[in-house]
Amino acid sequence: ETGVTQTPRHLVMGMTNKKSLKCEQHLGHNAMYWYKQSAKKPLELMFVYSLEERVENNSVPSRFSPECPNSSHLFLHLHTLQPEDSALYLCASSQDPGQGGRKLFFGSGTQLSVL
Amino acid sequence: RKEVEQDPGPFNVPEGATVAFNCTYSNSASQSFFWYRQDCRKEPKLLMSVYSSGNEDGRFTAQLNRASQYISLLIRDSKLSDSATYLCVVTHVSGGYNKLIFGAGTRLAVHP
Repeated sequence: ETGVTQTPRHLVMGMTNKKSLKCEQHLGHNAMYWYKQSAKKPLELMFVYSLEERVENNSVPSRFSPECPNSSHLFLHLHTLQPEDSALYLCASSQDPGQGGRKLFFGSGTQLSVL
Repeated sequence: RKEVEQDPGPFNVPEGATVAFNCTYSNSASQSFFWYRQDCRKEPKLLMSVYSSGNEDGRFTAQLNRASQYISLLIRDSKLSDSATYLCVVTHVSGGYNKLIFGAGTRLAVHP
């Protein structure tokens, strides 16, 4: 148990669907992240929230919409996705900034398939 | 050039072998360095931090060479359970927060 919980673990959706990924961290961290991991590619940072404020958006398409209502919860809202968006989506948290802030704790991920 | 480069492998080694992974990074302002481990279809987990003086954790030894912008991970006496992908991670401050850059990973397969 890593202290970061993601749901659902698996998601299959059509290109016209709207769905949301949920992440909750129980570690008292103040930064949360969404990463995308495609096969044989490095993890790609999508969004970063520090103290509930979005501090980075790595030019992610608008069909991905993050929401961070508080420091423990993070959502990724999905709509009109494309098949190439199929990937493992990982949530992470850290205590940032700060001495320990560079260590990420990941959730178990959502394996997303877009048909 | 990729910010963090790793040999993708796979490294196929017998149990008990010693294996070494290398990683290079391009940003000389990088501040912190880590090795993460990722099992198949699982999330990455922190394996160990990498310090300038080198550090050891049981069978695992990490080294950092800032001048050459090079990081290594040595695994001694490999176990079957060491089979996984090893991710090299470097950080630097960007926009007021610590930005972590992941390598694509090196896959290790330990066989009996």
